[in-house]
Amino acid sequence: LAKTTQPISMDSYEGQEVNITCSHNNIATNDYITWYQQFPSQGPRFIIQGYKTKVTNEVASLFIPADRKSSTLSLPRVSLSDTAVYYCLVGGGGATNKLIFGTGTLLAVQP
Amino acid sequence: GAGVSQTPSNKVTEKGKYVELRCDPISGHTALYWYRQSLGQGPEFLIYFQGTGAADDSGLPNDRFFAVRPEGSVSTLKIQRTERGDSAVYLCASSLQLVDTGELFFGEGSRLTVL
Repeated sequence: LAKTTQPISMDSYEGQEVNITCSHNNIATNDYITWYQQFPSQGPRFIIQGYKTKVTNEVASLFIPADRKSSTLSLPRVSLSDTAVYYCLVGGGGATNKLIFGTGTLLAVQP
Repeated sequence: GAGVSQTPSNKVTEKGKYVELRCDPISGHTALYWYRQSLGQGPEFLIYFQGTGAADDSGLPNDRFFAVRPEGSVSTLKIQRTERGDSAVYLCASSLQLVDTGELFFGEGSRLTVL
């Protein structure tokens, strides 16, 4: 299973764009890249998923370079309510659907 | 229900006791996952089901842990002879199908405290 590496924490201010990068050097050909958000005392919540290039939805964008060995979650104009832990997962490619969470990135947004 | 439901939300037990945690997935979701999360850590994979069968139980820490999903819907995680180290939040998630998507829908978790 591909291992992921993310920064432990990041700080930002309201209104800024935040980019969180995840490394996954051993990603398999069929693996997808998925990001989750988790608030205290809640289960993780799906944010976005992609396979290659760029994916955008109403809350975030996901940038994946051609070699797919990393990915960047981009949160536009963050607010205080975006303070949470963000997890990058790689998998779901069919060989196994055992999806492994890393330690995540704690994003702290300040006023 | 609209989302994944887990009961109880909180469970306090004594060391050595038996505990059952229940997960009611989103209707129609064939895949069901159990994770365990300790404070400050990411969710740790325990087991996942496709339908009634355990497709991968490699994350169960030892034989005190067991999970069932007899009718392919509700699942129960069973922990025998609980230890203080079992204290954690146990998360359940379901997904529509066991295919190449990582979109899991999580419940709020069951917080287990072993005294």
